[in-house]
Amino acid sequence: ETGVTQTPRHLVMGMTNKKSLKCEQHLGHNAMYWYKQSAKKPLELMFVYNFKEQTENNSVPSRFSPECPNSSHLFLHLHTLQPEDSALYLCASRTDGNYGYTFGSGTRLTVV
Amino acid sequence: KNEVEQSPQNLTAQEGEFITINCSYSVGISALHWLQQHPGGGIVSLFMLSSGKKKHGRLIATINIQEKHSSLHITASHPRDSAVYICASFGNEKLTFGTGTRLTIIP
Repeated sequence: ETGVTQTPRHLVMGMTNKKSLKCEQHLGHNAMYWYKQSAKKPLELMFVYNFKEQTENNSVPSRFSPECPNSSHLFLHLHTLQPEDSALYLCASRTDGNYGYTFGSGTRLTVV
Repeated sequence: KNEVEQSPQNLTAQEGEFITINCSYSVGISALHWLQQHPGGGIVSLFMLSSGKKKHGRLIATINIQEKHSSLHITASHPRDSAVYICASFGNEKLTFGTGTRLTIIP
């Protein structure tokens, strides 16, 4: 148990589907992050939420839609994805002023 | 723009060997992270350091702020150490990641 829980662990979806990824932490952290990890590439920051407010959108296509209803939960809503969106999506959290991050186990997404 | 480079990209060694993975970054940072990623995908934080050296069991991490360089060492390596090791620099409230080093320890 890493402290950051992601569901589902694996997801296969068609290009016309709509699905959501979920991230949950009860560590008391105020900042939550979505990262994308494609094969042979470094992790890329997608979105940052701080106290439920989005503070960064790293030029992510609108087919990815984040939602942060409270400081403990973060969602990534997916619709009309492309095969090149297949990747590992990782959630992380931390507390402002603290350099330490806690990562989840990731959701491996395959778009067919 | 900060860039993080790791070497080697892949490393295969025999059980028991001493392992070194290197990380260089291009701009001043607040902290340097070493992360471990197993085949399932989850990432575990091994070390976070701003100066000097840290040790945890068989793992040692060092950083040289002047040279913008960090190393991760594994002593008496074991097959269970096989994983991808990722260096990430923290600066301007952001993490910048290296591409990772895939380590395979052969029994």
